[in-house]
Amino acid sequence: SQTIHQWPATLVQPVGSPLSLECTVEGTSNPNLYWYRQAAGRGLQLLFYSVGIGQISSEVPQNLSASRPQDRQFILSSKKLLLSDSGFYLCAWTQTGGYGYTFGSGTRLTVV
Amino acid sequence: AQSVTQLGSHVSVSEGALVLLRCNYSSSVPPYLFWYVQYPNQGLQLLLKYTTGATLVKGINGFEAEFKKSETSFHLTKPSAHMSDAAEYFCAVSEPSSYKLIFGSGTRLLVRP
Repeated sequence: SQTIHQWPATLVQPVGSPLSLECTVEGTSNPNLYWYRQAAGRGLQLLFYSVGIGQISSEVPQNLSASRPQDRQFILSSKKLLLSDSGFYLCAWTQTGGYGYTFGSGTRLTVV
Repeated sequence: AQSVTQLGSHVSVSEGALVLLRCNYSSSVPPYLFWYVQYPNQGLQLLLKYTTGATLVKGINGFEAEFKKSETSFHLTKPSAHMSDAAEYFCAVSEPSSYKLIFGSGTRLLVRP
């Protein structure tokens, strides 16, 4: 069966520090991968998606970047965090066709 | 472009009462529609989905939703609320030709004893 792993679960980082969040999927190949952010009291905002290795689409220009170095690995990064980067970050995957999106357990990022 | 509107950021019902969470969508082609539930500090769990076929879709935990093309709606219902249903619910839309899943702003369901 397919599983999705996301870590860390919680993270407290100072303003200006770098960020790296990792997401991996097991039990499938060539998944479509997604990063969403959920700010306090708000809905889910699609940040990036990837349909293949090295292919990244950005939905919102901002302080973050994404990379897909391997087929089932998706990384969210920042060189210098801002206070506004605080939020709950969710990774998700689906197969082409979009019949169902499976989400990871999320990372709670607090920038102080 | 796809979009989703969820009416009511908070809905409060008594235990045992009907749950109705509203969702309207905008899509240029027949959409795929989803309802997800999120408990505090957790990821999203799929409740149910509509892709093609029967317009009344049954999901987990006694929830169901009906796709009404004429009303561009996909409202979520449950006949009798349980305390454990208290959570945040998200409606989402995807187009078959698109890689993207677009969410509504969410509705927080409160269940009163």
